[in-house]
Amino acid sequence: GNSVTQMEGPVTLSEEAFLTINCTYTATGYPSLFWYVQYPGEGLQLLLKATKADDKGSNKGFEATYRKETTSFHLEKGSVQVSDSAVYFCALSDSLADSWGKLQFGAGTQVVVTP
Amino acid sequence: DTAVSQTPKYLVTQMGNDKSIKCEQNLGHDTMYWYKQDSKKFLKIMFSYNNKELIINETVPNRFSPKSPDKAHLNLHINSLELGDSAVYFCASSQVPLGADTQYFGPGTRLTVL
Repeated sequence: GNSVTQMEGPVTLSEEAFLTINCTYTATGYPSLFWYVQYPGEGLQLLLKATKADDKGSNKGFEATYRKETTSFHLEKGSVQVSDSAVYFCALSDSLADSWGKLQFGAGTQVVVTP
Repeated sequence: DTAVSQTPKYLVTQMGNDKSIKCEQNLGHDTMYWYKQDSKKFLKIMFSYNNKELIINETVPNRFSPKSPDKAHLNLHINSLELGDSAVYFCASSQVPLGADTQYFGPGTRLTVL
């Protein structure tokens, strides 16, 4: 079956530090890959996505590249701000006809950015 | 102009009670979902409806019954609540039930069963 593995948190950083959150996946079809972010007390919102191999998703200074050869979709940001403190979820949705858009999430990585 | 809304935001109830959570989306989407987030933040899909028809049912206990009166609404009714049902429940919607389509999430309903 499909699965998503992401690094455990919490990840604690100082403002302006470089952030990487590792995410690897297993899938039977050709999945689309997503990063969602959950700010404290809120629902999830899409941060970025990539729908095929070698695609790069980017938004708000965050980037992730769909690497089929390493089955990875690592999230990076060059200079984090306190406002980036949140829980980040890597997720996949398979392309198979009967997947019906079902999102499979990783366990989430809490990121804490200190001033 | 909230895209996906849920009510109530908080729900505290006793074991054995029956409760409902309502979800509405004003995005014109065809597909709606319910997810459960446990205390460790792990998210798992429960149900999905497309055009009012059930398309995903992830081996959720029969005590959980989703109902979609129209494309814009997907409600979740829970019978005989148990302690293990305590969680945050998120509603989401997408234009179509395809893998590449973005899902838009509501703010969540925190259910506490005492």
